[in-house]
Amino acid sequence: GAGVSQSPSNKVTEKGKDVELRCDPISGHTALYWYRQSLGQGLEFLIYFQGNSAPDKSGLPSDRFSAERTGGSVSTLTIQRTQQEDSAVYLCASSLILGRRVNEQFFGPGTRLTVL
Amino acid sequence: DAKTTQPPSMDCAEGRAANLPCNHSTISGNEYVYWYRQIHSQGPQYIIHGLKNNETNEMASLIITEDRKSSTLILPHATLRDTAVYYCIAYSGGSNYKLTFGKGTLLTVNP
Repeated sequence: GAGVSQSPSNKVTEKGKDVELRCDPISGHTALYWYRQSLGQGLEFLIYFQGNSAPDKSGLPSDRFSAERTGGSVSTLTIQRTQQEDSAVYLCASSLILGRRVNEQFFGPGTRLTVL
Repeated sequence: DAKTTQPPSMDCAEGRAANLPCNHSTISGNEYVYWYRQIHSQGPQYIIHGLKNNETNEMASLIITEDRKSSTLILPHATLRDTAVYYCIAYSGGSNYKLTFGKGTLLTVNP
């Protein structure tokens, strides 16, 4: 079946503009995660959604970042008034089973964001 | 989740076994050891996980020491396509499902 898909694959924007990044998780996966990866760095957790529960936003770096997940499926990560330090690859992942210790996360290919 | 320590880079000859070490000396009893890898320009890919016992799947084997303070990921016959950054993660799950990725080990498989 289809894996996690993200769009766009690349986004170049000007400083101060807003951007929206989209994630389509694997069908039926209840959990969805956003991470970002700056050049040469490891992954940084941003936010996670699980079912209808309130999202864990503890990783969002500032109030310019927000995310929503509509209908328990597609998610959109929005960055307002982008800054150059927001340039990174934004990765989305989804997983099937919660309430168990096993948590194999399936990652999408990422969106490379460049803020000029 | 416990911190893990990995060497920044390793080399391996194609066709030979690649043994990637990971230290997790502060791991707690309910934390699993997970391994992911990230091939250049792709998202991370799950490889294997374990708690106490050694594990093997079609991709790799995971050897966990008896005291659980370290582990080794083994790729039995490395290929050029195994060149990637390998991440070792100690993960407890529960109400906190995020994975904390360090900088990992860049494994370069040479022809």
